Amino acid sequence: DQQVKQNSPSLSVQEGRISILNCDYTNSMFDYFLWYKKYPAEGPTFLISISSIKDKNEDGRFTVFLNKSAKHLSLHIVPSQPGDSAVYFCAASAASNSGNEKLTFGTGTRLTIIP
Amino acid sequence: NAGVTQTPKFQVLKTGQSMTLQCAQDMNHNSMYWYRQDPGMGLRLIYYSASEGTTDKGEVPNGYNVSRLNKREFSLRLESAAPSQTSVYFCASSQQGHSYEQYFGPGTRLTVT
Repeated sequence: DQQVKQNSPSLSVQEGRISILNCDYTNSMFDYFLWYKKYPAEGPTFLISISSIKDKNEDGRFTVFLNKSAKHLSLHIVPSQPGDSAVYFCAASAASNSGNEKLTFGTGTRLTIIP
Repeated sequence: NAGVTQTPKFQVLKTGQSMTLQCAQDMNHNSMYWYRQDPGMGLRLIYYSASEGTTDKGEVPNGYNVSRLNKREFSLRLESAAPSQTSVYFCASSQQGHSYEQYFGPGTRLTVT
């Protein structure tokens, strides 16, 4: 059962335009959400995160929006640049009394920026 | 500052062979993780260690064992490799707590023939 879903395996966007990557989750206990970026032959790198007490977090060209009622989050990249071409993973975590916090990842969206 | 390092980068095994993937971090993190990445499957957690001396199973632990050797090092062992274990393996570490990002190593590409 996929608790974090990225339904678009790929996305192509013109350079300079907005890229919007989407993520849905089913577990209502998730209260912290992260986006990771991955280039080929490298490990994922952290991009931006958001706590469930917020509905928006912005960092430069990257903004994450959270809609808790819809269990949906999105990553906006404006303006898109060629270096943004990568696979983007959405991830979520829930607080745990045991202290054993884990991330649950989506399957990823491959973003291609067209020059 | 090296972050998270993994060895080896590439490995080819025959079915039934064993090997250990090594991981070390120099960020003084308590928590460490092993994931595998397969096409269309995202990153799936194999095992994790919330602190030195503790390990717990993740989503796909069968066929693997782990050792948290000390705070810095967390190894993943395949006792009898199978073709289904062909994958890219990533180690990660983080501060303890659920609202901290994980830092990933560069990965080990393993092929089992």
